[in-house]
Amino acid sequence: KNEVEQSPQNLTAQEGEFITINCSYSVGISALHWLQQHPGGGIVSLFMLSSGKKKHGRLIATINIQEKHSSLHITASHPRDSAVYICAVMTQGGSEKLVFGKGTKLTVNP
Amino acid sequence: GAVVSQHPSRVICKSGTSVKIECRSLDFQATTMFWYRQFPKQSLMLMATSNEGSKATYEQGVEKDKFLINHASLTLSTLTVTSAHPEDSSFYICSARLLLTNTDTQYFGPGTRLTVL
Repeated sequence: KNEVEQSPQNLTAQEGEFITINCSYSVGISALHWLQQHPGGGIVSLFMLSSGKKKHGRLIATINIQEKHSSLHITASHPRDSAVYICAVMTQGGSEKLVFGKGTKLTVNP
Repeated sequence: GAVVSQHPSRVICKSGTSVKIECRSLDFQATTMFWYRQFPKQSLMLMATSNEGSKATYEQGVEKDKFLINHASLTLSTLTVTSAHPEDSSFYICSARLLLTNTDTQYFGPGTRLTVL
């Protein structure tokens, strides 16, 4: 079993829909990242969370440390949001290594 | 936000040649940089951790003599794929760690697509 699990693997939505992508992890973490990877490969760091909730534009990320779960929400989705969204955790213990989920491929249709 | 660049963005080379990929942190100093590899439809896999002024730490299964890493300055790390073969074709991504009093995060480069013919 992977240490970081994302769901769903693939998600197709219509423009304007509210999107939720989930991430569960099984290890102790010091922080969790949400990353966005567009076709062509470049990776953008969207959020880094260690507790609570963060908001940036139409994107919202939440984390529940006790339940070892995080969600990424996109409000009023747009075709340009189409990308792979990756959850990555920084494990506890002083290691700065990131452990990645397999990603969620989001397609937003006009 | 902080910017990390990679060069080249794409490279095609013949089997047996060596390819060098550069990773630069443009507006901050990074004592630690990471090199990842991503095969199609797979998640990123950490290859090695590069520390400025010291030897890189390689993950299990990654050949250090094949993937040479040099972190000569606080803003530059290089990955050299030596004697490249078609199975080395992949997307290589670096990240740089920004460590401040209240911040510990990684910023990712745009990646380098390597195709070995």
